[in-house]
Amino acid sequence: DAGVTQSPTHLIKTRGQQVTLRCSPKSGHDTVSWYQQALGQGPQFIFQYYEEEERQRGNFPDRFSGHQFPNYSSELNVNALLLGDSALYLCASSPSGGGTLNTEAFFGQGTRLTVV
Amino acid sequence: DAKTTQPTSMDCAEGRAANLPCNHSTISGNEYVYWYRQIHSQGPQYIIHGLKNNETNEMASLIITEDRKSSTLILPHATLRDTAVYYCIVIRNTPLVFGKGTRLSVIA
Repeated sequence: DAGVTQSPTHLIKTRGQQVTLRCSPKSGHDTVSWYQQALGQGPQFIFQYYEEEERQRGNFPDRFSGHQFPNYSSELNVNALLLGDSALYLCASSPSGGGTLNTEAFFGQGTRLTVV
Repeated sequence: DAKTTQPTSMDCAEGRAANLPCNHSTISGNEYVYWYRQIHSQGPQYIIHGLKNNETNEMASLIITEDRKSSTLILPHATLRDTAVYYCIVIRNTPLVFGKGTRLSVIA
């Protein structure tokens, strides 16, 4: 079991550009959540996908969007990149509908995005 | 979600028990206490969770006070590889909400 895999591991983009990050959940997991972690801070929840729909969303602007595919993999898209979007982007998967009720989330290693 | 309060940092000698406290005085009756840790440059890793009873697994023990207003994560024999940021999270069936956690340094 490969666990949660994210790609790419590192990425450098210019302000104003768009970026797409990818995540493959752990086998048997149907729910994917995305987090942004700025340097020195804890991860901040962006949104969660279940059954190909955004189910919950944190306090992030519409520039952040996502998608979940029938095989449960997911993409995070960020438009009009700002310098402040530079961060580690983490994907987490969980089973059984995605609630954390009595289950644990498995995280990938993250994608380090640098906006210059 | 209930807020949690953790010390910013702690040190522990290698081989000794590491006891990481967490206050969650506004926890609701149906909210769980979760602990995750994040080793430098890696994604967070689940450690343990509990509702009311104390819990133990191969990684750690979780002690929850009877009034559920605080808990302690215990790493029984800390090693250098346990150096990480430890997050205490109180939630029920919602995405994880991370604070700043406790930076545990295990010292040889």
